[in-house]
Amino acid sequence: QITLKESAPTLEKPTQTLTLTCTFSGFSLTTDRVGVGWIRQPPGKALEWLAVIYWNDDKRYSPSLKTRLTITKDTSKNQVVLTMTDMDPVDTGTYYCVHRSTLKGTFDYWGQGTQVTVSS
Amino acid sequence: DIVMTQSPDSLAVSLGERATINCKSSQSVFSSFYNKNFLSWYQQKPGQPPKLLIYWSSTRESGVPDRFSGSGSGTDFTLTISSLQAEDVAVYYCQQYSSGPPTFGGGTKVEIK
Repeated sequence: QITLKESAPTLEKPTQTLTLTCTFSGFSLTTDRVGVGWIRQPPGKALEWLAVIYWNDDKRYSPSLKTRLTITKDTSKNQVVLTMTDMDPVDTGTYYCVHRSTLKGTFDYWGQGTQVTVSS
Repeated sequence: DIVMTQSPDSLAVSLGERATINCKSSQSVFSSFYNKNFLSWYQQKPGQPPKLLIYWSSTRESGVPDRFSGSGSGTDFTLTISSLQAEDVAVYYCQQYSSGPPTFGGGTKVEIK
C-alpha cells in the first residue's frame, strides 16, 4: 500500500526558506519511471503543481517558481525534500506530496497535506 | 503552459440526477503516438486531499463507482456523475499531463439541490 506523509514547519516568516519533507512507503524511487512531486493549494483556491523528481534523478519545476525551488531525493530514507526560498504570504496554503504513477501517467496517491502559513 | 478551463464553476443537482462538468484545454492533450488523452479528473472533499477518479480521460481508477465516467478527446472533456449521491458533494478538478508543466482547471463545486 502506497502512503505519503508531508512534514514542514507550520509557520514561516516572509523571506525565509521553507523545507518540506515527504516520507513515503509502499514503493521505491529507484523503480523505472516512478516520480514523486509536490502540489499546493492556497486557501479556497485551485491546485498548483510545483515540482517532480523521477527515479533517474530527472527534476522538473513549475516555470513560474523555478528560481525558488529545489527538489531532492534520498532513496535510502524513502524521502523527497522540496525547498522554496524567499517565502511570501501568497505562498500560504496546503502543500501535498504526490506519487506519479508509471502506468497512469498522473498523480494517483496523495499525502494528507501540510498547512503552511507565511506571516510576519 | 496549457490552460485548463472548467465550467460551470458550481452546480446544484438533485439526488439521483445527472451532473455534468466540462473541461477545455488551450491545446490538444491527445497523443497520437500513445493514442491516449493525457487528462485526469480528481474529486476533493472538504479537508481532504484530492482523490484520483479518472485517468487517460476515460479510465476509471480502481474502486471508483461506475456512476462516474469521463469522456472527450483533444481539447474538450466531460466528467459525468450519472446519478448523484450525497457523498458526491465535492469540488472536481480536471488536470492535463500532456506537455509542459501539469496544469489543473479551476474546479467545479457540486452541491445537492
